[in-house]
Amino acid sequence: EPEVTQTPSHQVTQMGQEVILRCVPISNHLYFYWYRQILGQKVEFLVSFYNNEISEKSEIFDDQFSVERPDGSNFTLKIRSTKLEDSAMYFCASSDWEKLFFGSGTQLSVL
Amino acid sequence: GQQLNQSPQSMFIQEGEDVSMNCTSSSIFNTWLWYKQDPGEGPVLLIALYKAGELTSNGRLTAQFGITRKDSFLNISASIPSDVGIYFCAGQGRGGATNKLIFGTGTLLAVQP
Repeated sequence: EPEVTQTPSHQVTQMGQEVILRCVPISNHLYFYWYRQILGQKVEFLVSFYNNEISEKSEIFDDQFSVERPDGSNFTLKIRSTKLEDSAMYFCASSDWEKLFFGSGTQLSVL
Repeated sequence: GQQLNQSPQSMFIQEGEDVSMNCTSSSIFNTWLWYKQDPGEGPVLLIALYKAGELTSNGRLTAQFGITRKDSFLNISASIPSDVGIYFCAGQGRGGATNKLIFGTGTLLAVQP
């Protein structure tokens, strides 16, 4: 069964460093998303991406964040100058519109 | 921001019992989805509901889309230990022009063998 894959599964970084989280969406999906889940909390929307541009973003997704689809298969989330409060599980998802399928996540720890 | 409230927050039940949880919102959604999350994993889609009043089953799971489009419930019959996890409702399509999901606060389910 097709699935969304994310790498790395865990990322530890120093405060102020840049990180890139990678995702391979399901191949025939057109819509891509990043969500975040701080430990013990609900899953929060960050950004949606369609037709090579951001279609919607939340208040969390400020200038520190950017997304890119560098080729036909990868979808990345870049976090510049990481802060302690960026520590969370980051989930990539893809859909053909309604049903979103999520990856297993990248656990980001900012020290 | 938008809030979907789930109840109960947590449930501790015996294997074989039936479970019911619900989700309410102050906003109307076009689609309701239910996800299950295991520790350290991403949410896994269980059921999607597209029409007000719709009742849909997936094995031992049954979910309904409320008539007002502001609520949904999920029932699990004859629970088993592998049902343990956090169950999230998610609303989609608020305002019609978006497919982003707004997640509920989650219900933690623990099943005693």
